[in-house]
Amino acid sequence: DADVTQTPRNRITKTGKRIMLECSQTKGHDRMYWYRQDPGLGLRLIYYSFDVKDINKGEISDGYSVSRQAQAKFSLSLESAIPNQTALYFCAVWDGNSGANVLTFGAGSRLTVL
Amino acid sequence: QKEVEQNSGPLSVPEGAIASLNCTYSDRGSQSFFWYRQYSGKSPELIMFIYSNGDKEDGRFTAQLNKASQYVSLLIRDSQPSDSATYLCAVMEYGNKLVFGAGTILRVKS
Repeated sequence: DADVTQTPRNRITKTGKRIMLECSQTKGHDRMYWYRQDPGLGLRLIYYSFDVKDINKGEISDGYSVSRQAQAKFSLSLESAIPNQTALYFCAVWDGNSGANVLTFGAGSRLTVL
Repeated sequence: QKEVEQNSGPLSVPEGAIASLNCTYSDRGSQSFFWYRQYSGKSPELIMFIYSNGDKEDGRFTAQLNKASQYVSLLIRDSQPSDSATYLCAVMEYGNKLVFGAGTILRVKS
């Protein structure tokens, strides 16, 4: 268990506000990911990071930015939130130790933009 | 960008029956495949993964790969009401990035 913690778990905000979702992990894994989940669309990759200095855009990065402040922390920001960014956001880490080969998710952050 | 397609369901099966879930993938070169289960309001959790070299069985779950037809299946034997969830199929890209299907809702009726 990579012990991935996301904060906040729920957030309601207004259009135009800047929002930050935070993610931390305790197992020292290098690879961290941010996904967004919408009903009927599954999970879509926003950004991913291989280490502190290696950050990459995913499938749907427009309107988002990220920061890898330390190996254990990977934050997702919405610079100016809009209603269609209302979704469930998941942070995940890749655990490849001992052949585990598993993407482990945090509990999720539910964001509502009014 | 690889694509993964799943029937959204819901797939309804009686308790004790075999549930068969399928997904198709677009990239013939895909090597690693994953099945996740997601209960309502919860995060996805890994059920099992398989590589292109073979099928895999783990308890009541069996994952099978048909490379020629580019689909992956998950069989759940002796289905239980607690198996009712959304099942997500995923294919791995470079960088351990997983591309997910939209998921299939499974309902096991007691």
